[in-house]
Amino acid sequence: DGGITQSPKYLFRKEGQNVTLSCEQNLNHDAMYWYRQDPGQGLRLIYYSQIVNDFQKGDIAEGYSVSREKKESFPLTVTSAQKNPTAFYLCASLPLAGGGGKEADFGHGTRLTVV
Amino acid sequence: AQSVAQPEDQVNVAEGNPLTVKCTYSVSGNPYLFWYVQYPNRGLQFLLKYITGDNLVKGSYGFEAEFNKSQTSFHLKKPSALVSDSALYFCAVREAGAGSYQLTFGKGTKLSVIP
Repeated sequence: DGGITQSPKYLFRKEGQNVTLSCEQNLNHDAMYWYRQDPGQGLRLIYYSQIVNDFQKGDIAEGYSVSREKKESFPLTVTSAQKNPTAFYLCASLPLAGGGGKEADFGHGTRLTVV
Repeated sequence: AQSVAQPEDQVNVAEGNPLTVKCTYSVSGNPYLFWYVQYPNRGLQFLLKYITGDNLVKGSYGFEAEFNKSQTSFHLKKPSALVSDSALYFCAVREAGAGSYQLTFGKGTKLSVIP
């Protein structure tokens, strides 16, 4: 089945540690996104990428890093510089071929908790 | 910069009554507009979109939305609410034809349908 796979579903991080969240898609989509969801704040864009080896900062990129070495993969690293990383993280992808207007597909999310 | 406003954090409606979830947007050019639904601890599911053409768009599960350019609104509606419609609803905007594919979400509206 085609889709977006986020792993792990739950992740616990000790203070001062870096952790990496995985996002893989087999939809052949060009663009990929990372969002952070906090109660009452909706979805806030962290990073997005339209093509391999290129990505742009979103509204809350500080303390996060990404890479796009393959079209299918867009891992997100939460660094120790992110002071309040406990949140629900959502990955999305979007096809760009054929013009605009396509809707994005979402993974099931990773819940990160600092312990 | 583009933005989305969902003015109601929560909407309560009795089962069988019509429901409306409000959304207004701001974007430099023409908008692509989307509605998504989220169930607890899950990713977002696409409901419907406005790209061009008819201002009234119909989507999944009996939902529809009306695009109003003069009021920059895209309210989500359903003629008769079901208890199973209770969830978190997000409105999103992307600028049509722009070189950037940034997708911006509102803060979400929690819909509770009361039996």
